[in-house]
Amino acid sequence: AQSVTQLGSHVSVSEGALVLLRCNYSSSVPPYLFWYVQYPNQGLQLLLKYTTGATLVKGINGFEAEFKKSETSFHLTKPSAHMSDAAEYFCAVRASDGATNKLIFGTGTLLAVQP
Amino acid sequence: DAGVIQSPRHEVTEMGQEVTLRCKPISGHDYLFWYRQTMMRGLELLIYFNNNVPIDDSGMPEDRFSAKMPNASFSTLKIQPSEPRDSAVYFCASSLGVEQFFGPGTRLTVL
Repeated sequence: AQSVTQLGSHVSVSEGALVLLRCNYSSSVPPYLFWYVQYPNQGLQLLLKYTTGATLVKGINGFEAEFKKSETSFHLTKPSAHMSDAAEYFCAVRASDGATNKLIFGTGTLLAVQP
Repeated sequence: DAGVIQSPRHEVTEMGQEVTLRCKPISGHDYLFWYRQTMMRGLELLIYFNNNVPIDDSGMPEDRFSAKMPNASFSTLKIQPSEPRDSAVYFCASSLGVEQFFGPGTRLTVL
């Protein structure tokens, strides 16, 4: 069965510092991987996704993630944090039954950005 | 497109009352998902539909919860009777491909 592990339920960075949010997955088939962001009192919205092809994926708001098969990882990074990046971030993998669009979500990482 | 629409946005009810949450997916999407989010349990998938047919309801907590999708543009999640532990934010999401689009959620408070 698939699973997603997000290391660190809370991460705090200073404005302008590097953001690194960790995600490891398990999947019995080539994975489709996603990062979603949830701002306070809002639904989840897609930051970026990896399906096939280039392993470095760029998303909205300056975020990017790199798919590393050997490490079963899909960490999210941003070179310079902005106050507006404060939100909860969810990593997800597509269910490997392949017949549905079901996603398996991690438990989320709450990012705080300090001035 | 207006995106996924959920109503109401906020619901406060008393224990024992029936609660109905509504969702309008994005037009043309063939999958619809219902999630529940709480501080304690995080984001949980309750049930999902494909072409209006329920595919997997293994996440539905108990018989008090039921969901329907009478047509491609409307779904309901019903809780009867409601209990304080049902207090949560309930999200609806829809998809055509693998990317899911989430609604703004319904914040349910059961007193």
